[in-house]
Order: sequence, then structure tokens, then C-alpha cells
Amino acid sequence: KAGVTQTPRYLIKTRGQQVTLSCSPISGHRSVSWYQQTPGQGLQFLFEYFSETQRNKGNFPGRFSGRQFSNSRSEMNVSTLELGDSALYLCASSLEVGLVYEQYFGPGTRLTVT
Amino acid sequence: AQSVAQPEDQVNVAEGNPLTVKCTYSVSGNPYLFWYVQYPNRGLQFLLKYITGDNLVKGSYGFEAEFNKSQTSFHLKKPSALVSDSALYFCAVRDLSGNTPLVFGKGTRLSVIA
Repeated sequence: KAGVTQTPRYLIKTRGQQVTLSCSPISGHRSVSWYQQTPGQGLQFLFEYFSETQRNKGNFPGRFSGRQFSNSRSEMNVSTLELGDSALYLCASSLEVGLVYEQYFGPGTRLTVT
Repeated sequence: AQSVAQPEDQVNVAEGNPLTVKCTYSVSGNPYLFWYVQYPNRGLQFLLKYITGDNLVKGSYGFEAEFNKSQTSFHLKKPSALVSDSALYFCAVRDLSGNTPLVFGKGTRLSVIA
């Protein structure tokens, strides 16, 4: 089956701009989560969506937002970009049935803010 | 607040020897615990998750993790290391009580030497 896809793979933006990243989960997975990875802060959880509802949110400012569509595809948006937002943004889709859990990550979107 | 610690930045082990990557956590309630692996140029992958039940959790690629509630630890183990296990390993925890975000450790770089 097709894996998790993220678009775009690379992005260069200027401070103050906004950006939208997209994630398409594995077919049948209704949960999508987003993560930020930087050399300084490591891996940080951004948010998780399940059936179009935000189920959990990390400690990020309100400039970071997301949403999930009825087909489980998800987008995250960062407004008023700052230099510190330069990072690898990872999306994962997951399926949990009873005690069985599977999660797969996309290749990430590398965002550079100049 | 919940937290997770990976006390070793780097672990070196000879191929064929058992490996252990350490993780300790702090939560106010019961934990969800995760291990992830990031291979060079291959992205982040989910290894295993502890929710409840058996203290020994089996995951992908022959890895397992032992949950120890009294020591608040969730060490990752493998009986016989392979060179291909060389990667960056992340432990993560989420407090089951309340709507708390997933928190990652800083990561441990495992090098398996032939």
C-alpha cells in the first residue's frame, strides 16, 4: 500500500510569510499527527487529528495550526514565519484497533526560513 | 509536567552483542510509552508502544522494550545487535490522564561495530 506522502518536500520562505504543508495518510488511517524536528530542540509534537477533530496539541504558539479533512488528509499552517521555524516537519498516520497500533511517517517537509 | 530522559547520547556495541538503550520517564498518571528509530536518510519509524498489559513489549526488527513502573523506565533492548541497527533512537511518553502532548527524549545514537 502507498505510504504517507508529504508535499512539498522542500520549501524556502521569508520571515513574515506563511506556509501550508500537506500530508496524505495511509489509506484507512484516520489519525494524523505532526512533528517538528530541529537540531536544537530535537523532536517535538505539534498536534494530532482524528476524524477531523484535533485530539491533542503540543506546546507551540498559535501561529501553528492544522486541520484534517473528511478524507483524512491533513494540512498544517504556520503564519508569520520566524527564522526559528526552520525545521523538518514530519507527518505520521496511525491506526489503533484495540491493543494493536501501527504508525507510519512521511519523508518530511524541509522548511527553510530566511 | 511529563518528561522523558535518555541518559546516553551515544551507545556503542559490538555486532552480535545484546544492546540496551535507556529511557526513564516522569508522568503524573499512567504512561503511554513509545520508541522510534531514525535511520540515516530513511526517515523516522515507529518501533513499539506500551499502553498496558505485559511489561515486555515486542516491536519491529527484533526490538523489545521492558516497562518497569517502579523504576519509571522503558529501556529498549535487542538480544543480538546488527550493524544495520546503527541509527538514532527516540523514546517518547504521553500521560494518559488528561489531554497531554507527546514528549520526546533527546535521542540516543546507537553505533553497532562489526
